[in-house]
Order: sequence, then structure tokens, then C-alpha cells
Amino acid sequence: AQKITQTQPGMFVQEKEAVTLDCTYDTSDPSYGLFWYKQPSSGEMIFLIYQGSYDQQNATEGRYSLNFQKARKSANLVISASQLGDSAMYFCAMREFDSGNTPLVFGKGTRLSVIA
Amino acid sequence: GAGVSQSPRYKVAKRGQDVALRCDPISGHVSLFWYQQALGQGPEFLTYFQNEAQLDKSGLPSDRFFAERPEGSVSTLKIQRTQQEDSAVYLCASSLSDGETQYFGPGTRLLVL
Repeated sequence: AQKITQTQPGMFVQEKEAVTLDCTYDTSDPSYGLFWYKQPSSGEMIFLIYQGSYDQQNATEGRYSLNFQKARKSANLVISASQLGDSAMYFCAMREFDSGNTPLVFGKGTRLSVIA
Repeated sequence: GAGVSQSPRYKVAKRGQDVALRCDPISGHVSLFWYQQALGQGPEFLTYFQNEAQLDKSGLPSDRFFAERPEGSVSTLKIQRTQQEDSAVYLCASSLSDGETQYFGPGTRLLVL
């Protein structure tokens, strides 16, 4: 079964607008972490933001915020004031902590295109 | 400080050749991970080291894949008798310790002809 689901293969957003990239996850582990990474065409995976399952508040990092809805098992990434440089692939990933040293599990990604 | 580096950035191999991919983690990072990313997909886990110990190799697709980290720093992923389905980007990531955020290198794009 898919542990991470990203239902939007591609998204377009106008420069300076906000955009939400969807991510739902599946786990029975009560302790887990959710990550978002950005992958430009150069190929490197750039860490953006992290949300722990026990965190009470939604994570924020500059223009990035994570809309964490635990009951719905969703962890959507919100990018505010989009810039042309935000055009890239975005991956949601999860790591379960109670099961020992488990690796990151990634979704299939969403390609974001920012239009001038 | 310096991030994770990988070499070569690009590798073209003929089917049946052996290849070796190198990863230099961030200095002081204990944990090191290898992932394989096929075209249009998210990365998939291959193997994990804590210092020099390979703690999980459950993601290695066959016994043609071998990874090592003999001194707990640089790691090498070796693929023997490469096949066309091995064509992918191989990503290395390191973290300060287990459970911490993983930081990725630029990847090695492997093309097997």
C-alpha cells in the first residue's frame, strides 16, 4: 500500500500567489515525521520543512508552511508569494520512528511551475 | 559548510560493466543513506549505514548491488554487471544521527546502454 500519496502530478501558479501542494500519508505508527523536499532540475533534494507527529503547531520556515491535519492524515505544503525559482519537483516523505531505523518513504512528487 | 557531495555526477556504462559511485557525507554525520530514483518517481531506499556498520540493506534490488563505508565516512555503492533497468539517479543522504533530518547530495545519473 502507498504510504505517501501526492495526487497532483503537476501544478501551475502565478508569480507572487500562494500555492498548496497536497500530501496524504498512511501509518499505524503513533510516532512519525513528515518532510518536504524540493528537487530542481539540477537533481539535488533540498530539505524544506519538517513536522513531527506530536508537534502541536504547524511547522513554518520562511515562505513555507505545513498544513498538518493529523486526523485526516494530511500534510500539505503551502508556499506563499511564489517566485520563479520555486519551479521544481516537490516531494513529501515520511519516516516512522517506533519501528526502529526506518528509511524515508517518498511520494511520487508534484511538479510546480511558477508563471511570470 | 560543505554539503553532501557525490561523484561522478554522470556515468554511462555498457551493459555488463561494473560501476562504483562515491558519496562524501557532511563532516561529522553518523548516518548515511543511499536511494535510487527512477525517472518520474520519488527516491526509493536502498541501504543505510550508521558509522561503518551497514544496518539495513533491505532495499538493495539484487546481489549485484553492494555498498560499503569502511571508515565511517565516505561510502561507495557498487553495481556489478550493470543492466538497463539499473539506469536511474542514485542519491546519497547523510544525517547527524539517526532520526535527524537527512541532507542529500546532487546524485549520480547512471545510464546503462
